[in-house]
Amino acid sequence: AQSVTQLDSQVPVFEEAPVELRCNYSSSVSVYLFWYVQYPNQGLQLLLKYLSGSTLVESINGFEAEFNKSQTSFHLRKPSVHISDTAEYFCAVSAYQGGSEKLVFGKGTKLTVNP
Amino acid sequence: SQTIHQWPATLVQPVGSPLSLECTVEGTSNPNLYWYRQAAGRGLQLLFYSVGIGQISSEVPQNLSASRPQDRQFILSSKKLLLSDSGFYLCAWTTGEGYGYTFGSGTRLTVV
Repeated sequence: AQSVTQLDSQVPVFEEAPVELRCNYSSSVSVYLFWYVQYPNQGLQLLLKYLSGSTLVESINGFEAEFNKSQTSFHLRKPSVHISDTAEYFCAVSAYQGGSEKLVFGKGTKLTVNP
Repeated sequence: SQTIHQWPATLVQPVGSPLSLECTVEGTSNPNLYWYRQAAGRGLQLLFYSVGIGQISSEVPQNLSASRPQDRQFILSSKKLLLSDSGFYLCAWTTGEGYGYTFGSGTRLTVV
């Protein structure tokens, strides 16, 4: 069975500082990896995903994540954060089983960007 | 374009009352549909998923049930709500492997 561990439940940073949100997964099969962002009282939005190929994937708003198979990690990074990046971030791993893709989510990391 | 609608946005219900939350998807056919519950500090818990009309799989035993009467409609129900049913309920869909999920805007359910 797949599982996801997000090592930090809360990460406070100052505006324009770099940030890394950590994610480790466990799986016995090849996986797809995702990062989602959730703003207060909203649904989750897909931020970026790794399917295959280049291990570094980027989002349109400056986030990037690197797939590291040997360390079973998929950490999310941004070199300079903005106030508007304040949100909760979820890492997820998928497996295609029984005719359906199932996503298993971590418990989330609340990123707070302070001025 | 593909969209997902979920309603109501907020709901306050007394203990023991019934529940019906609806989710519909537009702009696609034969999607896989999912219901998740998000409780504070517990992340997202998969409740039900469906790969087709009338096909429902339950991930955890609970006080809730799901139905899929039409291809793009997914309903979450309860006959008698418990306090522990409070939470943020999210509907999601996907069309295939590797696409990830598209989520609805969620329903905040408070059972009082």
